[in-house]
Amino acid sequence: KAGVTQTPRYLIKTRGQQVTLSCSPISGHRSVSWYQQTPGQGLQFLFEYFSETQRNKGNFPGRFSGRQFSNSRSEMNVSTLELGDSALYLCASSFNLPGNTGELFFGEGSRLTVL
Amino acid sequence: AQRVTQPEKLLSVFKGAPVELKCNYSYSGSPELFWYVQYSRQRLQLLLRHISRESIKGFTADLNKGETSFHLKKPFAQEEDSAMYYCALNFGNEKLTFGTGTRLTIIP
Repeated sequence: KAGVTQTPRYLIKTRGQQVTLSCSPISGHRSVSWYQQTPGQGLQFLFEYFSETQRNKGNFPGRFSGRQFSNSRSEMNVSTLELGDSALYLCASSFNLPGNTGELFFGEGSRLTVL
Repeated sequence: AQRVTQPEKLLSVFKGAPVELKCNYSYSGSPELFWYVQYSRQRLQLLLRHISRESIKGFTADLNKGETSFHLKKPFAQEEDSAMYYCALNFGNEKLTFGTGTRLTIIP
């Protein structure tokens, strides 16, 4: 079974630009969660989707948005990029809602650098 | 507020010595607790969950409701235990909240 796939793996943007990150969950998984990972803050929850519906949202500004498609693939978008958005963005999938079992399967992440 | 705290950012332990990674939480209810691990150049993955009361790779974690803690322990550290460890909680709101992580280094 293929794992969670995230694209692109690395990208460099400049301030003010926008970026779209993609996540393909494990086949059959219906839930996709997004996290921002930084050395100082650890893993911070962005949002979680289940069957195309956003079920939870973290404390990030409205510049961060996401969606999930009918095939469970998910995208997240960050508009008007700021230097502080530089981070590793992790996507994780699970068959049910994360709270049911707690087991999330993570991708390798998309490393975003904002210059 | 619901919070997960890992007080140690870095922890170095000699090989063969006991390991304890601390995790404290603030929540009035009964959370579900997990430990995740990220080895060098590998993906973040589930290590263990408290409801299973299991021992994985020699690690155990006990929920102490009185102290609101869920410390991860191993009696004898091995070099392959060097990794980043995250405590994670489900506060009943269907998402996992992670701590800031502890980087464990085992000294040969």
